[in-house]
Amino acid sequence: RKEVEQDPGPFNVPEGATVAFNCTYSNSASQSFFWYRQDCRKEPKLLMSVYSSGNEDGRFTAQLNRASQYISLLIRDSKLSDSATYLCVVNTNAGKSTFGDGTTLTVKP
Amino acid sequence: EAGVVQSPRYKIIEKKQPVAFWCNPISGHNTLYWYRQNLGQGPELLIRYENEEAVDDSQLPKDRFSAERLKGVDSTLKIQPAELGDSAVYLCASSLGNMNTEAFFGQGTRLTVV
Repeated sequence: RKEVEQDPGPFNVPEGATVAFNCTYSNSASQSFFWYRQDCRKEPKLLMSVYSSGNEDGRFTAQLNRASQYISLLIRDSKLSDSATYLCVVNTNAGKSTFGDGTTLTVKP
Repeated sequence: EAGVVQSPRYKIIEKKQPVAFWCNPISGHNTLYWYRQNLGQGPELLIRYENEEAVDDSQLPKDRFSAERLKGVDSTLKIQPAELGDSAVYLCASSLGNMNTEAFFGQGTRLTVV
């Protein structure tokens, strides 16, 4: 079993839809959490950090559930430009950083 | 401000040949990472440096892979000899070092071993 697991998708949604991704992690020593976005044949770029209290950035909302060891990303009012692969990243307090394999989103007109 | 710079962008080599990748991190970033990413998968950590010290190289295949970060700035990753299965994108990233800070990635080196 991988330390960080994501549903690979693909998620195919129409413009304007709301879509949610989950990511589960197995290491209980995990301390910090992130969502990265990766466009095709490009490098990953930070989308948002995930805070214990949950956080929102425009159309994007991230949540953390420590008890169940998962994080989520909600995208509202999907845009064509949201099409990408979304990578979940989990860091331990020892500095170990583990990526999930990503969830692919395609937003269609 | 310049981002993480990697070279070359692409490399095609025959199996059993050596290859080297170079990375220049963002100025002031003490932590440097080398990742390998296969198609359809997330980046997999090969080695992490804090300044010039390799603090996590548990996933580095040490029989053929080596890395160095002289003077705690630039880094090189070498494969010798390369195998067909080494074909992947090799990503370098850097961060300020706090586990809560983001890592910035270079554009990667796409290696094809034929």
